[in-house]
Amino acid sequence: DADVTQTPRNRITKTGKRIMLECSQTKGHDRMYWYRQDPGLGLRLIYYSFDVKDINKGEISDGYSVSRQAQAKFSLSLESAIPNQTALYFCATSDLPDSSTPYNEQFFGPGTRLTVL
Amino acid sequence: GDSVTQMEGPVTLSEEAFLTINCTYTATGYPSLFWYVQYPGEGLQLLLKATKADDKGSNKGFEATYRKETTSFHLEKGSVQVSDSAVYFCALSRWGNNRLAFGKGNQVVVIP
Repeated sequence: DADVTQTPRNRITKTGKRIMLECSQTKGHDRMYWYRQDPGLGLRLIYYSFDVKDINKGEISDGYSVSRQAQAKFSLSLESAIPNQTALYFCATSDLPDSSTPYNEQFFGPGTRLTVL
Repeated sequence: GDSVTQMEGPVTLSEEAFLTINCTYTATGYPSLFWYVQYPGEGLQLLLKATKADDKGSNKGFEATYRKETTSFHLEKGSVQVSDSAVYFCALSRWGNNRLAFGKGNQVVVIP
């Protein structure tokens, strides 16, 4: 079974609709992230969470909200979808860096392709 | 702020050719450096990493050396295969900073 799963994998919706993308992980990591990928722009961070009570905005949080329902679950919502939110969305997780592992390796889900018409 | 710059444009090359993808970075302190790979239809996965100057990361025939003097972490492979066709992302993470900063990625297409 995949360590980081995302649902749905593909979604087509209309402008103005509310959409929720879900992410679950079995890695036992405290940290979770949402990114969007656009051609030629790489990955941009939308929100991240260090634990259930901690939510932080990333580079491009406008138009998005998140909910950390449990350590293993982190959902991304588009309150009123617009066409320029058409993108590939990735969830990622990471463990807490420490002196023996000082880097922030992230583990990614397979992505959700969202199209807003 | 932290940033990563990758060479512009896709890379198309023949099987068994030598691959280089350039990556330079801007960051304070001593970041850790990564190459992630994204195969078609999949999420990103870590290809290799280096956590201090002069470290060489390697995996699946790919290598990259952390060069602090030139702030670079170029990815190389001596003989590519069709199965190496993917998008490659350079990234950095600073100790105490909770984010990965990604470059824009390079599409690599290997033709038989």
